[in-house]
Amino acid sequence: GQQLNQSPQSMFIQEGEDVSMNCTSSSIFNTWLWYKQEPGEGPVLLIALYKAGELTSNGRLTAQFGITRKDSFLNISASIPSDVGIYFCAVDRGSTLGRLYFGRGTQLTVWP
Amino acid sequence: NAGVTQTPKFRVLKTGQSMTLLCAQDMNHEYMYWYRQDPGMGLRLIHYSVGEGTTAKGEVPDGYNVSRLKKQNFLLGLESAAPSQTSVYFCASSYQGLKRNNEQFFGPGTRLTVL
Repeated sequence: GQQLNQSPQSMFIQEGEDVSMNCTSSSIFNTWLWYKQEPGEGPVLLIALYKAGELTSNGRLTAQFGITRKDSFLNISASIPSDVGIYFCAVDRGSTLGRLYFGRGTQLTVWP
Repeated sequence: NAGVTQTPKFRVLKTGQSMTLLCAQDMNHEYMYWYRQDPGMGLRLIHYSVGEGTTAKGEVPDGYNVSRLKKQNFLLGLESAAPSQTSVYFCASSYQGLKRNNEQFFGPGTRLTVL
């Protein structure tokens, strides 16, 4: 089946540092999404990418949809303690039904 | 406006018992989804619904049944619980599938343990 390779699995950084994580696949997808999950909560959508090459920002977050449509990255600039959580990439399964396929997540820890 | 709510928040079952998880949304969304999340894994789609009275299988549907009798509710049933179904279950809803600017909203989750 389809597999999203998300890396790194975990990151431990100091407040103020920049963060970069990425997601790759052997298959082509037309939509890439980035979610954040905090402890005890459901995922919350951060950024949605719908076009190859698209670069989108949301505050300190920036994400890009790879030209090959097989990858995406998420950058967080000047991290703060509330950035702590698990970040997931997700893709749509090839229709507009919203059947999402998730990566395994990147656990981010930010030290003050 | 409560968004997506899930009942119960926690539950412990014995193998072979049955239970129903309830998901409710007050956003008049057409599409609803049930996912499960296991340690170190992303969410995996169990079943989904594209409207009242409709259901369809997702990635991992075995051992689960669902019903969408009312637009605002999506029920997930376990007829005979197994330890492999120990997981955190998330419900989500969206207005109209996956289109630009059409976000999928998630509930807070139900933590289920099957002994």
